[in-house]
Amino acid sequence: AQSVSQHNHHVILSEAASLELGCNYSYGGTVNLFWYVQYPGQHLQLLLKYFSGDPLVKGIKGFEAEFIKSKFSFNLRKPSVQWSDTAEYFCAVRLTGTASKLTFGTGTRLQVTL
Amino acid sequence: GAVVSQHPSWVICKSGTSVKIECRSLDFQATTMFWYRQFPKQSLMLMATSNEGSKATYEQGVEKDKFLINHASLTLSTLTVTSAHPEDSSFYICSARDQGTDTEAFFGQGTRLTVV
Repeated sequence: AQSVSQHNHHVILSEAASLELGCNYSYGGTVNLFWYVQYPGQHLQLLLKYFSGDPLVKGIKGFEAEFIKSKFSFNLRKPSVQWSDTAEYFCAVRLTGTASKLTFGTGTRLQVTL
Repeated sequence: GAVVSQHPSWVICKSGTSVKIECRSLDFQATTMFWYRQFPKQSLMLMATSNEGSKATYEQGVEKDKFLINHASLTLSTLTVTSAHPEDSSFYICSARDQGTDTEAFFGQGTRLTVV
């Protein structure tokens, strides 16, 4: 069965620090990859997604992620975090196809201090 | 982006009663909707895939007789927690994909269920 691993469970950074959150998946087929963010008290929102093409994808709010197929990874990065980036971040994977379900990682809680 | 509305946002019910949660796609049609459960400080666990006009597909370990799913139209799916118990207390989240574009899933705001 496919699985998604997020190795960082809780990350604390100061404002302006750089961020990298790891995401690895285990599945040999063609996948679509997503990063979602959940701000406190709010619903999940899409940060960025990878379907095909350039493995470096840029999302909203200055986030980007790089798909490295050989490493089965899709790490999320941001050069300089802000206090407002404090949230829970989820990596998700799905097989290609309209009926395919999303499998989520366990999530990473990011806390940005002033 | 597209909007998925979930209702209610929170509900408290007594043990043994049933609770219905609605999930609506407001500006697109969704042949498939998904129901997730999220425990505190944990990830989203898929409970079932809701298919318009047919039976839902449940994940292993999810009791289909306890969590009834109905997907009566292309914009509405409902999850009914029957004979609720305190251990059913959780955060339930639905998502839907726009069948026209199928690029991403849009999520509802979630429903916090507390069974007392």
